[in-house]
Amino acid sequence: GAVVSQHPSWVICKSGTSVKIECRSLDFQATTMFWYRQFPKQSLMLMATSNEGSKATYEQGVEKDKFLINHASLTLSTLTVTSAHPEDSSFYICSARDSGATDTQYFGPGTRLTVL
Amino acid sequence: GENVEQHPSTLSVQEGDSAVIKCTYSDSASNYFPWYKQELGKGPQLIIDIRSNVGEKKDQRIAVTLNKTAKHFSLHITETQPEDSAVYFCAASLEAGTALIFGKGTTLSVSS
Repeated sequence: GAVVSQHPSWVICKSGTSVKIECRSLDFQATTMFWYRQFPKQSLMLMATSNEGSKATYEQGVEKDKFLINHASLTLSTLTVTSAHPEDSSFYICSARDSGATDTQYFGPGTRLTVL
Repeated sequence: GENVEQHPSTLSVQEGDSAVIKCTYSDSASNYFPWYKQELGKGPQLIIDIRSNVGEKKDQRIAVTLNKTAKHFSLHITETQPEDSAVYFCAASLEAGTALIFGKGTTLSVSS
């Protein structure tokens, strides 16, 4: 099946620093990628929809200046958490839409962010 | 917007028994309903999905049923095995490939 990777798998940073998370579709092109956030023992909450070559669409309540999304190619989207604070600590998961035959969304393995 | 409710939040079964997880959705425009399995510390894995033009879909021990009139869909796992233990999420979206709205998840425990 289709594979989506995320890097890094986990990261620890100090308050005030910025962290970049990469999401790659390894064996298919993804014109659309999605970013989700998941708190412990909770569901996935959609943060934003990222379309290749255009600005991301953010869900209500998600600060676009804090969570910068770039989708520069058909296989790569990045999420940058700027000026991170402890409340930004979470599990960030991306998914990529395989717009080929099935239009299926495949999820990455997630990135655990801990802000000290 | 869409709202997805999922029940139960936890489910414990004996190996070999069946497990059923139910979800309801609010937006009648939704047409795509996937189910995901998530193991601890990992991303969700698609296990089965159904589109609104189909009432039931089966893949070996897993089946999903959809009632569009009542706006609910269910996951059925037969002959459960310990390796089925995980958190299961239902989701809904307007169509395949668009943003998903997830239910709150069901923690399934299969004891041998």
